[in-house]
Amino acid sequence: QQQVKQSPQSLIVQKGGISIINCAYENTAFDYFPWYQQFPGKGPALLIAIRPDVSEKKEGRFTISFNKSAKQFSLHIMDSQPGDSATYFCAATLRGGSEKLVFGKGTKLTVNP
Amino acid sequence: GAGVSQTPSNKVTEKGKYVELRCDPISGHTALYWYRQSLGQGPEFLIYFQGTGAADDSGLPNDRFFAVRPEGSVSTLKIQRTERGDSAVYLCASSLGTSGSVREQFFGPGTRLTVL
Repeated sequence: QQQVKQSPQSLIVQKGGISIINCAYENTAFDYFPWYQQFPGKGPALLIAIRPDVSEKKEGRFTISFNKSAKQFSLHIMDSQPGDSATYFCAATLRGGSEKLVFGKGTKLTVNP
Repeated sequence: GAGVSQTPSNKVTEKGKYVELRCDPISGHTALYWYRQSLGQGPEFLIYFQGTGAADDSGLPNDRFFAVRPEGSVSTLKIQRTERGDSAVYLCASSLGTSGSVREQFFGPGTRLTVL
């Protein structure tokens, strides 16, 4: 059972545009929501993360918006650059226990120059 | 400092063979995770170590998969009687622990396993 649903599967934007990736989760016990960026041949790297007591978190050009009642969260990349071209994964985890990450299926972002 | 390292970077084996995949976590990280990433998918959790013990192995698909971390640092993922469906990238991650705010998991580059 997929617990984190991510869309779209792929996304193409022009340089300078806004990239938006959406995720929805099912388990209301999740309490930590990170986004990972993965380049080909590399492992995922943490980009930004949010906890459900906050509705928005911004770090540079990257913003997470969180809607607890709708069980949805999204990543916004402002002023998208060709170097942002990568696969992005949303994830969720539970505090306590193993804190294993449950990942979405990923979004392949292409930013055209 | 050095990140998480994994060896080998690529492993090609034949169906039915035994393989071992190694993970060297970041020094001082007590928590270690193994994930499996199939083509076009997100990583899927396999097993979690806190120190030397496997605290959560609920993601191991069957008893052909086993992992150890005897000294609380390096970990080895072992796969017996490999099957073509085992082909994937096996990722290792480590973190300082699971208490407080030290939740970030740092991933290695992965080992790409191909079972012919």
